[in-house]
Amino acid sequence: RKEVEQDPGPFNVPEGATVAFNCTYSNSASQSFFWYRQDCRKEPKLLMSVYSSGNEDGRFTAQLNRASQYISLLIRDSKLSDSATYLCVVSGNTGKLIFGQGTTLQVKP
Amino acid sequence: GAVVSQHPSRVICKSGTSVKIECRSLDFQATTMFWYRQFPKKSLMLMATSNEGSKATYEQGVEKDKFLINHASLTLSTLTVTSAHPEDSSFYICSAATQGYVEAFFGQGTRLTVV
Repeated sequence: RKEVEQDPGPFNVPEGATVAFNCTYSNSASQSFFWYRQDCRKEPKLLMSVYSSGNEDGRFTAQLNRASQYISLLIRDSKLSDSATYLCVVSGNTGKLIFGQGTTLQVKP
Repeated sequence: GAVVSQHPSRVICKSGTSVKIECRSLDFQATTMFWYRQFPKKSLMLMATSNEGSKATYEQGVEKDKFLINHASLTLSTLTVTSAHPEDSSFYICSAATQGYVEAFFGQGTRLTVV
C-alpha cells in the first residue's frame, strides 16, 4: 500500500465548476499535511497547509480528518489557470515529505 | 519565502559519464536537504536525505554508489549521477529544510537526459 494515495484523474471540468480532490495516508504518526501544486515540467509549489480545523484560502478549502487519515482539497469557481497537478503531501517532524501520485486537473473554457 | 537554487536546469550527457547537480539554499542555512526524482506523469520519489556534515540516508532501492550525495556546507548539497545510463533520465529536484522546519522549498529541478 502506498504511503499517500490519490486518485490520479484526470479531472476535466468546465470553468466555474467546483471540484474536490481526496487523499488518504497510511502513517498515523504523520504530523504535517500539505497540498502542493505542480505545473508541467516545473517544481512543486506550496498551495496550502492542511489543519484539522480546516482552512480556507480564497477559492481553496482544505480539510484533514485524522481519524480517517483523509485529506481533501476543494476548489470553487475553477479558473483556466487552476489547470495543474495537485499533490497531497504528508510529513513527520524531519522535513521529509511523502508525496502522493498527484491529481491532474484540466479546466476547460 | 526561502529560496533554493538548483543548477543546472537541464543537462544532456552521454551514457557512461557522470553528472553533478547542485542545490543551494540562498537565504537560510539548510541543515537537511532532500533529493527527489520524478518520472513523466509520476509523483516525486524521495531518493535520499542529505545531512550537513554526515553521510546521506538513502531510501530503499536507491543505489548510494550510483547517486553520490555530498552536503559539505549548510548551503550546498550536490548529487552526482555516476556512470549515467538512459534509464537515469529523469527530473531531479532538491528541497531544503532548516531544523524543525516542516515546509519544504524546492529547487527549480534538473532535467537529465542520458543519450
